[in-house]
Amino acid sequence: EAGVAQSPRYKIIEKRQSVAFWCNPISGHATLYWYQQILGQGPKLLIQFQNNGVVDDSQLPKDRFSAERLKGVDSTLKIQPAKLEDSAVYLCASSLDLMGGQGQYNEQFFGPGTRLTVL
Amino acid sequence: DAKTTQPPSMDCAEGRAANLPCNHSTISGNEYVYWYRQIHSQGPQYIIHGLKNNETNEMASLIITEDRKSSTLILPHATLRDTAVYYCIVRANTGFQKLVFGTGTRLLVSP
Repeated sequence: EAGVAQSPRYKIIEKRQSVAFWCNPISGHATLYWYQQILGQGPKLLIQFQNNGVVDDSQLPKDRFSAERLKGVDSTLKIQPAKLEDSAVYLCASSLDLMGGQGQYNEQFFGPGTRLTVL
Repeated sequence: DAKTTQPPSMDCAEGRAANLPCNHSTISGNEYVYWYRQIHSQGPQYIIHGLKNNETNEMASLIITEDRKSSTLILPHATLRDTAVYYCIVRANTGFQKLVFGTGTRLLVSP
């Protein structure tokens, strides 16, 4: 079974430039997540989608970050304009369904991430 | 904010058991304990989860104390490939409950 695909794997940009990341989740997974992982820290959830609807974007800096999942499959995360503090690994994850029901857990499968360096 | 406390680093000899502790003294009755690990340059990987009973799968065992305020992840025979950062997370299994990662424990398995 193919895993979560992300591209590009690495990106270097200058501050104030724009950048976009792409994620293709595991086939059939309804829920998609974007995380930001700063060096030395654990991943922090930015946004989660259930199909093509946003479930939680409370930690997404909406003045510069945007994300979409138009057809409920793949997703893009954009930063415009980038700041130095946006340097991080951006991880995409997917799971079968967000609402697994009492006692059920739908495991999140993570992609390899995109390492962004803002100079 | 993460609701768990883990030691920042641990060492283990290859072939020995690795016991990774986690404190979660404020855990609620409906919250489960989850463990994920992250090998260098990879995304996190699910290991195991439990509510109050001990759990075992092909990767590890999870021991949760009777008062549920702490737990231990056990890798029975650690290998070099188990070197990773291990995250202990508490999360309810209902509603739109997200995973909140702390800084985890960096486990180094040495020959």
